[in-house]
Amino acid sequence: QVQLQESDPGLVKPSGTLSLTCSVSGVSISSTAYYWGWIRQPPGKGLEWIATMYYGGKTYYNPSLKSRVTISIDTSKNQFSLTLNSMTAADTAVYYCARQDDSPDYWGQGTLVTVSS
Amino acid sequence: QSLLTQPPSVSAAPGQKVTISCSGSSSNIGDNYVCWYQQLPGTAPKLIMYENDKRPSGIPDRFSGSKSGSSAALAITGVQTGDEAEYYCGAWDGSLSPFYVFGTGTKVTVL
Repeated sequence: QVQLQESDPGLVKPSGTLSLTCSVSGVSISSTAYYWGWIRQPPGKGLEWIATMYYGGKTYYNPSLKSRVTISIDTSKNQFSLTLNSMTAADTAVYYCARQDDSPDYWGQGTLVTVSS
Repeated sequence: QSLLTQPPSVSAAPGQKVTISCSGSSSNIGDNYVCWYQQLPGTAPKLIMYENDKRPSGIPDRFSGSKSGSSAALAITGVQTGDEAEYYCGAWDGSLSPFYVFGTGTKVTVL
């Protein structure tokens, strides 16, 4: 079965860089049938889409985060990654990775990232 | 600043019907598929409706989806206490530089 698991960076310092990895099992990340995305949810708030990438190279970003976000795929490890720089307290959230077949269908369990000194 | 607007909360007694609306525009709901997610406290969102009105395997037929113009709706008939959760709609927006948007979220309370 399809499973996704986010890495656990825990605490990130203000102005620092968040690096997250999503390990995928049960499906090849190089499949042309799917996209791979990141979504976050600040504590007590709603869902916010961050970015989505297709194995073939197409990448889509949230316009409000685009200048700070990079998303990439590592087919050798069947993983994809998120980098978000210039972190502030407003970036504190649970970060989810997800497979997308048009919309996100399979999600990781999420990892809480706290921005604090 | 979500582009998809949902009512903050809806409630109903067990066995009754609840309907959650999702209001968008021609660039998102009007031109793309809508999906719906159920999020129980402390868990990841779960896809319960895709391509406007299709249920993934394992989702009971008490859940139904519809779309008309730039709006969509999720209906739960015969609501149960286990359906108490936050529900979100979602859709792609734009064509030249697409981005994905989620609704503002609706808390369903079973009285």
